[in-house]
Amino acid sequence: LAKTTQPISMDSYEGQEVNITCSHNNIATNDYITWYQQFPSQGPRFIIQGYKTKVTNEVASLFIPADRKSSTLSLPRVSLSDTAVYYCLVGELYNNNDMRFGAGTRLTVKP
Amino acid sequence: GAGVSQSPSNKVTEKGKDVELRCDPISGHTALYWYRQSLGQGLEFLIYFQGNSAPDKSGLPSDRFSAERTGGSVSTLTIQRTQQEDSAVYLCASSIRQGARSYEQYFGPGTRLTVT
Repeated sequence: LAKTTQPISMDSYEGQEVNITCSHNNIATNDYITWYQQFPSQGPRFIIQGYKTKVTNEVASLFIPADRKSSTLSLPRVSLSDTAVYYCLVGELYNNNDMRFGAGTRLTVKP
Repeated sequence: GAGVSQSPSNKVTEKGKDVELRCDPISGHTALYWYRQSLGQGLEFLIYFQGNSAPDKSGLPSDRFSAERTGGSVSTLTIQRTQQEDSAVYLCASSIRQGARSYEQYFGPGTRLTVT
């Protein structure tokens, strides 16, 4: 099981771009990288998923370097409502039960 | 459309009692997951179902915990002889599985269990 390491917490201000990096040094060939967002008193919500290079959707971008030993979730122009915990998961897309949630990164966006 | 639902939303029980937590996944989702989240902590994987079978029970913390899924839909998580350390939010998620591939997990609102 690929272990992930993320910063415990981050602070930002409204309108800034936020980059959260996740380390996964022992990622396997078949592993994908997935990010979830969790607001207080809610279950996590899928944000983005990728295998290599760059993936972008309406919410975020995911940057994955060639060695895939880390990944960076980029949130453009954050607002107060982006205050949440962000989880990085690594696991086989074809064996989803291997994915494990770590402690996540608690992002606090200030006015 | 309807998302994942869980019941009850809150459960307070006395130490030593048994509790049953229910999860209704999104219709058509063949994969179902149970997690536990203690206050301020990350999610702890408990068990995963593909259809009615549970290929991975490795996350169940003790033999007091069991889960079943019937008809490839509703799942119940049972905790026997509850202990105070069982107090947590229990989250259920479901996902589509087409062929060998699993897709993103959709989470329910959780059941907050308090053991007094």
